[in-house]
Parts: sequence; structure tokens; C-alpha cells
Amino acid sequence: QQQVKQSPQSLIVQKGGIPIINCAYENTAFDYFPWYQQFPGKGPALLIAIRPDVSEKKEGRFTISFNKSAKQFSLHIMDSQPGDSATYFCAASKGGKLIFGQGTELSVKP
Amino acid sequence: ETGVTQSPTHLIKTRGQQVTLRCSSQSGHNTVSWYQQALGQGPQFIFQYYREEENGRGNFPPRFSGLQFPNYSSELNVNALELDDSALYLCASSLEDEQFFGPGTRLTVL
Repeated sequence: QQQVKQSPQSLIVQKGGIPIINCAYENTAFDYFPWYQQFPGKGPALLIAIRPDVSEKKEGRFTISFNKSAKQFSLHIMDSQPGDSATYFCAASKGGKLIFGQGTELSVKP
Repeated sequence: ETGVTQSPTHLIKTRGQQVTLRCSSQSGHNTVSWYQQALGQGPQFIFQYYREEENGRGNFPPRFSGLQFPNYSSELNVNALELDDSALYLCASSLEDEQFFGPGTRLTVL
């Protein structure tokens, strides 16, 4: 079964810290790996995405690290702010069908 | 904002009833995907429509059905509602791999 496993379930950091969220996948056919941010009562918002031919991608304060041989990828949030407090989902896709992880609830304390 | 709109925002139905949810895709996007998000879980892929044809389906029973119209807007229909159908229903529009989500419809089945 196609699965994406995400950890940790929840994370608390101080303002300015660097939370790291990890995901692992099974299906080597996946070719697109996005991260989404979701606030309560809202739809997921696309943050950043990577393809397996790239090992790292940065957009603003968000960085994805990708390890193809280990079938793992992670999200780093630099200089985290209280406004980053939300639930983060990793996902994997082949042919446009997104398979999501279970989510990580991030809390950034002032 | 993504430009993807969904209606209604909230809906309460009773078990056994039928429901229709609507989604307007972002301008220029020809693909719409539907997801079900249970409380505290990641979204689960229901199906995808590309240029008015179903283009892949997740592990959902046939009582979940859909349509896509010539303007690329879409409907999700659920027949014979069950209590477990209570969830946030999300649609996402895309042109290629990047999927942009609407705010969702919160369905409660009593």
C-alpha cells in the first residue's frame, strides 16, 4: 500500500528555533513531494515542493532536504515565528494523486 | 488566496441522505481533485477529474461520485450518507503537479 509516514505528531519550539519535520515514503514511483501548511478551519496551502532529482530546495525560510536512497524528506523552518504555528503535511505524488502524511502540529512559543 | 472556491461552507445531513458539494477551480486549471479530511488526519484522495473525465480514484465506494463541467468546475456527490462521512471535503485545482486547495466544505452527518 502506498504510504507516507510523518513525524513527529506534534512539535513545540521557541521563537527563532528551527523545527524539523520528517517524512518517509515507500513507493519509488513517486516523483513530486510537496509540503502544505494548514490553519484551523482553512484548506491546506502549498508551501514548497521538490522532485527526486534535487537534494535540497529553499524558498524563503522554508527548506526541503531530500534523500532519495533512504526514501526520506524533511522540512526545516528557519527563524520560526509564532505565526508559523499550524499543522504541516508532507505529501507524495505520482500522476497528480497526492498521498498525505498524518500531519505535524507545530507550536512556536513567543 | 488560491482562487479555488467551494460551496457550501458547512452542511448538516442525516444518515441515508444524499449531498452535493461544489468547487470552482482556479482560472486556467483543467484538473480538479477531491479529498476527504477527517478530524486530526491528513487529506485522503477520493478522485480526480481532467477535462471532464475521471482520471483516477482512491479507495472510496461507488456512492462517492463526481462530475466536471466544461468550465472545469466540479461537483462531488455522496449518496446514502453514513456517520463516518463526517469530514472536511477539499477540492484542489491544478494545471500540472502543483495542487491548490479551496477552503473546504465541513459535512456533518447525524
